[in-house]
Amino acid sequence: DTGVSQDPRHKITKRGQNVTFRCDPISEHNRLYWYRQTLGQGPEFLTYFQNEAQLEKSRLLSDRFSAERPKGSFSTLEIQRTEQGDSAMYLCASSSGTGYQETQYFGPGTRLLVL
Amino acid sequence: GESVGLHLPTLSVQEGDNSIINCAYSNSASDYFIWYKQESGKGPQFIIDIRSNMDKRQGQRVTVLLNKTVKHLSLQIAATQPGDSAVYFCAEAQIYNQGGKLIFGQGTELSVKP
Repeated sequence: DTGVSQDPRHKITKRGQNVTFRCDPISEHNRLYWYRQTLGQGPEFLTYFQNEAQLEKSRLLSDRFSAERPKGSFSTLEIQRTEQGDSAMYLCASSSGTGYQETQYFGPGTRLLVL
Repeated sequence: GESVGLHLPTLSVQEGDNSIINCAYSNSASDYFIWYKQESGKGPQFIIDIRSNMDKRQGQRVTVLLNKTVKHLSLQIAATQPGDSAVYFCAEAQIYNQGGKLIFGQGTELSVKP
């Protein structure tokens, strides 16, 4: 499968615990995006990377959230001290970032439930 | 259970009919628009995109129309099939100024009756 993959697909945690999600983009895609989606809503932008550089972070991304893309390939999103309001689907997308072909392809998402 | 945010606009069509899903976008500076299909429990799936220098683009069974004057985008699906049942999202972006981050619309739930 050459699409975007995410791991885990589901995560249940208790309030206050830390969680980490992984995203593997389509090979050779330079840009990687994280979005969050709550029930009945469209995805909301969180942050994006151009290669290993994190170029923008949404105001939705509180200081409890951190994302990395250390080698310009896979990325991780960590949430510290989880709160019930963090329960959502976390989506990753990648694109070639060439300025010509900008289609973002999404992974299956990681569904987080904070109890 | 909680039901906040579940009141998506819905469109119900008969199998074989054509479907038109509409979307109003917010930013006149947006230069790229895209439609996604999302089935329950899955990530959004790319359908078709269009740049702001075009007003129409066709794919297989789908057509996207862009009206920049009124900031309106539509998706037409020909000969709708039961497998087309899903939630459809439009999204806008500024490719060169803001790195292409997508701003999604509310979504429309399409239901196809066999």
